[in-house]
Amino acid sequence: DARVTQTPRDKVTEMGQEVTMRCQPILGHNTVFWYRQTMMQGLELLAYFRNRAPLDDSGMPKDRFSAEMPDATLATLKIQPSEPRDSAVYFCASGSDGTGVTEAFFGQGTRLTVV
Amino acid sequence: QKEVEQNSGPLSVPEGAIASLNCTYSDRVSQSFFWYRQYSGKSPELIMSIYSNGDKEDGRFTAQLNKASQYVSLLIRDSQPSDSATYLCAVRWGNTPLVFGKGTRLSVIA
Repeated sequence: DARVTQTPRDKVTEMGQEVTMRCQPILGHNTVFWYRQTMMQGLELLAYFRNRAPLDDSGMPKDRFSAEMPDATLATLKIQPSEPRDSAVYFCASGSDGTGVTEAFFGQGTRLTVV
Repeated sequence: QKEVEQNSGPLSVPEGAIASLNCTYSDRVSQSFFWYRQYSGKSPELIMSIYSNGDKEDGRFTAQLNKASQYVSLLIRDSQPSDSATYLCAVRWGNTPLVFGKGTRLSVIA
């Protein structure tokens, strides 16, 4: 069945290391979102792509985070260098707004722990 | 600043009762409203969407939208222990990405 696929599911890394999270959106979807979820802040938007073009990354710390979409089947979120405060669950979601209506479907998430 | 507010709960209801979850949002100019369910340790799962004023029913779920009062609610009839989860309200303004509330934790007591 169609679903958003994220890898890895869990990642434990040391402070200062680079972390790369990957997302395969649902085939045919033209919008991709990266959200971060913490107990304190809930779901926060980090980045947003439509037709592979970045439209909004205002929620992302620019000095250490970067988001790309090298092709229609892959979106990446990188953190370099990682810090303990980056520990959270990172969700990728995809949708299709060709009709002006966008529901977002979420992947299983990457649980990141930075020690 | 677009904001979505929800009572964090927990909201406890007995099995078989109606659970009522509420959500308010900050900007009257909005278009699309969504309810997601998130079980502990899992990803958000879309359960309802509503775009116009009034009620929309889907099985045991009813979404209610009142744009003039800027609130949207979710009713769960005949609540089951399996409905125990966090319910996230999300709002989309125009073509912007979804903005989520922090969620209401629902506990259905058997």
